[in-house]
Amino acid sequence: NAGVMQNPRHLVRRRGQEARLRCSPMKGHSHVYWYRQLPEEGLKFMVYLQKENIIDESGMPKERFSAEFPKEGPSILRIQQVVRGDSAAYFCASSPSISNQPQHFGDGTRLSIL
Amino acid sequence: EDQVTQSPEALRLQEGESSSLNCSYTVSGLRGLFWYRQDPGKGPEFLFTLYSAGEEKEKERLKATLTKKESFLHITAPKPEDSATYLCAVQDHTDKLIFGTGTRLQVFP
Repeated sequence: NAGVMQNPRHLVRRRGQEARLRCSPMKGHSHVYWYRQLPEEGLKFMVYLQKENIIDESGMPKERFSAEFPKEGPSILRIQQVVRGDSAAYFCASSPSISNQPQHFGDGTRLSIL
Repeated sequence: EDQVTQSPEALRLQEGESSSLNCSYTVSGLRGLFWYRQDPGKGPEFLFTLYSAGEEKEKERLKATLTKKESFLHITAPKPEDSATYLCAVQDHTDKLIFGTGTRLQVFP
């Protein structure tokens, strides 16, 4: 299966700990997007990355959140000092370099904060 | 501000009972309108892309249409396996997707 792979599928952290979410895009895709889905709310854009570059981080909180997409390896969304409000499903999507192409999503990481 | 509104929030249909889902949008610099299907515990699954008013796309029992202000997802003779949440999203000039909150469809046998 050459789809978007996210891990872990479920992650439990205590308040104040760090959470690291990983995303491997579809083969041949060089653009990665992260979205957050809160209960009963729609998917909200967080950040858009290409290899080694952050293109748009306008949806990502300025503090505690960071994202990277290194030359080798998966994209990482990192949340430091997690709080209860960070509990959500985090989805990664990827697309090819050609504009207007659909973004394909992984099955998400469900983050729970105790 | 870019915005997507979907209606109804929830829809219950009898198997074979055709209906339509609505997606109204306002966006600066529309690059495309996308329909996705999302099953519980899964990520959105891509269905259609529409790029310009008047365009239509079909796949099995689903047909998507687009005007300058809204899109419709028509479901013809639905089956229980069509039960899911259907998401509409617009892509703006920055390439990010702006999603509606979805229509939760239940089809009963």
